[in-house]
Amino acid sequence: NAGVTQTPKFRVLKTGQSMTLLCAQDMNHEYMYWYRQDPGMGLRLIHYSVGEGTTAKGEVPDGYNVSRLKKQNFLLGLESAAPSQTSVYFCASRRTEMNTEAFFGQGTRLTVV
Amino acid sequence: DAKTTQPTSMDCAEGRAANLPCNHSTISGNEYVYWYRQIHSQGPQYIIHGLKNNETNEMASLIITEDRKSSTLILPHATLRDTAVYYCIVRVNDYKLSFGAGTTVTVRA
Repeated sequence: NAGVTQTPKFRVLKTGQSMTLLCAQDMNHEYMYWYRQDPGMGLRLIHYSVGEGTTAKGEVPDGYNVSRLKKQNFLLGLESAAPSQTSVYFCASRRTEMNTEAFFGQGTRLTVV
Repeated sequence: DAKTTQPTSMDCAEGRAANLPCNHSTISGNEYVYWYRQIHSQGPQYIIHGLKNNETNEMASLIITEDRKSSTLILPHATLRDTAVYYCIVRVNDYKLSFGAGTTVTVRA
């Protein structure tokens, strides 16, 4: 039972390069989330999705785009990476029912040089 | 969603109970209290949640005051592996999930 899987686990980018982070969940969850966590800080919500084909902005959406073409996958894209986007990125998913917990992936450590 | 206030950090002796407080004085009647923890460099892990009644599972106990304005997470027998950042979240919004700064708990031998 894989749960939430993030790909890749580590990546180094040069400023201006683009990349896509993949989040895959095998629990048939409707809701999915992308967070970033900077050193010594809490998680900040970038974008989220309440179902296949839908996405919405979170607290810090600038510089990122997302897509949810398949229910099980939530992609986070960086079109032109900047050093300020150096961070650890976490994906999460959960069911739609109100009192349910979220499941998190193990994170993607991204460094932009 | 209601705002939560947690201490920045706390220490606990190994084998003793760890009591983590959380204030949520603006909580509304249909908001749940959730606790997650994040062990260094890992993804957050769900611990427990509750609405009104006290809750217990294999990891912890959650005590919610009668007026629901505060709660306490209890780790009954803290171990070194419980060293982590603990997040208290109250939520009514059906989809958004927001984290604050949490409490850094250090369990000492």
